[in-house]
Amino acid sequence: KNEVEQSPQNLTAQEGEFITINCSYSVGISALHWLQQHPGGGIVSLFMLSSGKKKHGRLIATINIQEKHSSLHITASHPRDSAVYICAVLNSGGSNYKLTFGKGTLLTVNP
Amino acid sequence: NAGVMQNPRHLVRRRGQEARLRCSPMKGHSHVYWYRQLPEEGLKFMVYLQKENIIDESGMPKERFSAEFPKEGPSILRIQQVVRGDSAAYFCASSPGTPYTGELFFGEGSRLTVL
Repeated sequence: KNEVEQSPQNLTAQEGEFITINCSYSVGISALHWLQQHPGGGIVSLFMLSSGKKKHGRLIATINIQEKHSSLHITASHPRDSAVYICAVLNSGGSNYKLTFGKGTLLTVNP
Repeated sequence: NAGVMQNPRHLVRRRGQEARLRCSPMKGHSHVYWYRQLPEEGLKFMVYLQKENIIDESGMPKERFSAEFPKEGPSILRIQQVVRGDSAAYFCASSPGTPYTGELFFGEGSRLTVL
């Protein structure tokens, strides 16, 4: 079992829909990152969380440390949100720099 | 302030050749990380460097792979005698501190194809 599991693997939505992507992890962590990767493109760090909730524009990220679970929400989704969303954790038992990544969730938003 | 610059963006090599991938971190960043993304797989940590020092190379294959971050110039990931299994996207990221500080910036990646 991977240390970081994301669901769903693939998600298709209509423009305007509310999107939720989930990330579960099996180890104690010091922080969790949500990343965005466009096809063939680079990677952008969206959030880093160690507790609670953060919001940037239409993106909201939450984390529940006790349940070892984080969610990324996109409100009023748009075709330009189509990308792979990747969850990555920093293991609190190890180094504070070595990220462990989920396999990503491919989001397609249709107009 | 330019972002993390990686070059080349695409590189084609024949088996047995050498591949050199370069990464210029953001200005003021002294921490560089390399990650590999194999087809249909997630990203994997390879190596963490600070200026002139390799801090952790536990994710690097034991042979043929090496990395450096000299006092002057970009960080280099070098793959000697490439094999088809080295075909992947290689991403570099930089930060002013460790990723725990929150500021982590990635490059566009270098996509290596081994024929």
